Amino acid sequence: AQSVTQLGSHVSVSEGALVLLRCNYSSSVPPYLFWYVQYPNQGLQLLLKYTTGATLVKGINGFEAEFKKSETSFHLTKPSAHMSDAAEYFCAVRGNEKLTFGTGTRLTIIP
Amino acid sequence: KAGVTQTPRYLIKTRGQQVTLSCSPISGHRSVSWYQQTPGQGLQFLFEYFSETQRNKGNFPGRFSGRQFSNSRSEMNVSTLELGDSALYLCASSLAPNRLNEKLFFGSGTQLSVL
Repeated sequence: AQSVTQLGSHVSVSEGALVLLRCNYSSSVPPYLFWYVQYPNQGLQLLLKYTTGATLVKGINGFEAEFKKSETSFHLTKPSAHMSDAAEYFCAVRGNEKLTFGTGTRLTIIP
Repeated sequence: KAGVTQTPRYLIKTRGQQVTLSCSPISGHRSVSWYQQTPGQGLQFLFEYFSETQRNKGNFPGRFSGRQFSNSRSEMNVSTLELGDSALYLCASSLAPNRLNEKLFFGSGTQLSVL
């Protein structure tokens, strides 16, 4: 079985501040991990993914995430928030079955 | 290349009715998945199709069904609608389901409201 927990359904940061969105997973096999972003009235689009190899993964729009097996975490970060980052972010895990999503974190950027 | 197309964009139905939603994947993509998105629940997996065969199914009642056609287009059907079925239904396509690290391409969804 596999599952994803996203800590914090809502996160607010000031423009220019660090963005940190938390994701913890469970999987009975080595997981593939993903972060997707959903802008208002749109579908989801892939930000980044971890498959194997380097544990620090860089994605689009300046986002990156680090896979920490010992902590079963895959937190998403961005050094400096921009107004355009306001969206909902979903962490997802795939072991050997379907892709399982977390409940999402809505990111608000304060001007 | 056109993206994933879902129709209709919005739908209003009443309890007890049935509804059919359509999804056209990206050209060349043979795998289609469906998700139900509701506030606070995130995305719940409905089912996945590849080459007209259902490969995976989520924990939804039998009122939810789907199919895939030979051109990879997919439809999902919900019969005997309930108020709790109100949600955004998202379709996603990918090249093949056996590529576990494959990214999904999502459509904009169909917003279903059940009154």
